[in-house]
Amino acid sequence: GDSVTQMEGPVTLSEEAFLTINCTYTATGYPSLFWYVQYPGEGLQLLLKATKADDKGSNKGFEATYRKETTSFHLEKGSVQVSDSAVYFCALGFSGGYNKLIFGAGTRLAVHP
Amino acid sequence: GAVVSQHPSWVICKSGTSVKIECRSLDFQATTMFWYRQFPKQSLMLMATSNEGSKATYEQGVEKDKFLINHASLTLSTLTVTSAHPEDSSFYICSANVYADSEQFFGPGTRLTVL
Repeated sequence: GDSVTQMEGPVTLSEEAFLTINCTYTATGYPSLFWYVQYPGEGLQLLLKATKADDKGSNKGFEATYRKETTSFHLEKGSVQVSDSAVYFCALGFSGGYNKLIFGAGTRLAVHP
Repeated sequence: GAVVSQHPSWVICKSGTSVKIECRSLDFQATTMFWYRQFPKQSLMLMATSNEGSKATYEQGVEKDKFLINHASLTLSTLTVTSAHPEDSSFYICSANVYADSEQFFGPGTRLTVL
């Protein structure tokens, strides 16, 4: 069945370090791919998305490229800030995007000064 | 932006009792609301999808008589965990969207502990 696998956390980085959170997926069709972020005490928020192969989603300095050949959608940021500390979820969806989302387990990121 | 709230944020109950969790869209009318369950260090799993005024659609393996969903208005959906047992302890998250297949906006979640 369809599934999403994320690297286990927590990921602990110093401020201004480079971030990569790995995400791979298994899907029978051609899904859209998403990254969501959950800050402490808040709901999940859409961070970025890509709807087809080779698309790059970007937002707030984060980016991820939809790689069909490696079935991956790794999240990257060149220089993290303390305010980026949160839990990041990779997800896939069908039918144009948002219904029937399938999530990864989430990766906690802790950035210290 | 679109805001979804949940109440309560956490609840502790005794085994055998029922617990109701509310999900509200605060600044928009939600065509569809979704209920997810999350176990520690695991993915969010979709439990059911509900549209205002109609019966919820449950995912395979989710007991509809155990998890009662009522979507009474375009801004309110409730999840009632009936005759709760310790294995029902989990983090329950709702989401809502404005149009079918549009972006889902998520609530902050409700942690249920059944003793």
